[in-house]
Amino acid sequence: QQQVKQSPQSLIVQKGGISIINCAYENTAFDYFPWYQQFPGKGPALLIAIRPDVSEKKEGRFTISFNKSAKQFSLHIMDSQPGDSATYFCAARDTGNQFYFGTGTSLTVIP
Amino acid sequence: SQTIHQWPATLVQPVGSPLSLECTVEGTSNPNLYWYRQAAGRGLQLLFYSVGIGQISSEVPQNLSASRPQDRQFILSSKKLLLSDSGFYLCAWRIGTHGSPLHFGNGTRLTVT
Repeated sequence: QQQVKQSPQSLIVQKGGISIINCAYENTAFDYFPWYQQFPGKGPALLIAIRPDVSEKKEGRFTISFNKSAKQFSLHIMDSQPGDSATYFCAARDTGNQFYFGTGTSLTVIP
Repeated sequence: SQTIHQWPATLVQPVGSPLSLECTVEGTSNPNLYWYRQAAGRGLQLLFYSVGIGQISSEVPQNLSASRPQDRQFILSSKKLLLSDSGFYLCAWRIGTHGSPLHFGNGTRLTVT
């Protein structure tokens, strides 16, 4: 059973546009929600993360929006650039320090 | 600063052959260590994790095993590879305190032929 559900599976955005990736979870014991960025042939790299006591976190062009009541969180990439083309994974961590990952979103930013 | 090394980067092995993938972490002590497998178009599947030397927890029963002979060394092994073992294997680490993030190595692309 997938603990974290991620959508869409793939996304194509024009340069300068906004990329939005969504994730949902069921386990209310999750207490930390990171996003990872993965380029082909590389391991995932931590991009940005949020805790459930905060509704939004912004780092540069990347923003996480968190809706605790709906058990959903999303990644917004503002002013998307071709260099942002990568696979993005959302994740959630439980109180036992186990991480559960979404199935990934392949983002393509068209110049 | 902490770094994680995984090798080899790519590996092609015949069915039935043994496997040994190695991961080491530098710059920290007593890290929690993880092995994940990433299949094409799928998420990250946790295979094993370790909170200390000789302490291994298996998440998925399968053809693989893991060992942690030293504090910062994590090894993924198989006695006889199956075609279904093909995939992208990722080692990861985190500091053992609650709240620390997970960091990944650059992975090993394994193709079983």
